[in-house]
Amino acid sequence: GQQVMQIPQYQHVQEGEDFTTYCNSSTTLSNIQWYKQRPGGHPVFLIQLVKSGEVKKQKRLTFQFGEAKKNSSLHITATQTTDVGTYFCAGPTSEGGATNKLIFGTGTLLAVQP
Amino acid sequence: DAGVIQSPRHEVTEMGQEVTLRCKPISGHDYLFWYRQTMMRGLELLIYFNNNVPIDDSGMPEDRFSAKMPNASFSTLKIQPSEPRDSAVYFCASSLGEDQKLFFGSGTQLSVL
Repeated sequence: GQQVMQIPQYQHVQEGEDFTTYCNSSTTLSNIQWYKQRPGGHPVFLIQLVKSGEVKKQKRLTFQFGEAKKNSSLHITATQTTDVGTYFCAGPTSEGGATNKLIFGTGTLLAVQP
Repeated sequence: DAGVIQSPRHEVTEMGQEVTLRCKPISGHDYLFWYRQTMMRGLELLIYFNNNVPIDDSGMPEDRFSAKMPNASFSTLKIQPSEPRDSAVYFCASSLGEDQKLFFGSGTQLSVL
């Protein structure tokens, strides 16, 4: 079945260091969304990418959608302790149905040492 | 906007008991999703509704699980009988139209002893 994998599973950085998580889908995605889940919290939508090769920025966060629309990345510049949490990518399932029927990636847990 | 509201926040029950989780989506949203999150399996989609109609329940693990949406402002997920392996965080999410972001509730932490 369709799989969405993320690497790394876990990353520990010193505050101020950069961080990148990579998302790879076994199938082509029409769009990809990114969510952040703080420890003990719920996933919160960050951004959606739709076009092949699209790059979007939100302050220190840079999101990229691959040319083949099967991979994506999230890069955080100069991490802060407020960036702590698990970052998930998510894309529509290839099994049909609503395009907001999402399959979530395995997630990357980011820990930031002050 | 109050967001997606789930209750209870925590539920501890004994194996064999019936458990009912509740969700109130954001007013006006026409899609409602139930997800389950565990360390081993991550975030899994259980079932989703469009305009109160169940569209896809292929993620529901067993017949012990059932979900209803009697109206646009309320949905339930029921487990009967519950088992220890059902222990997880259950999230409800809603969205407006397709290709739209999901708004998640705070989740229900379920522990089945």
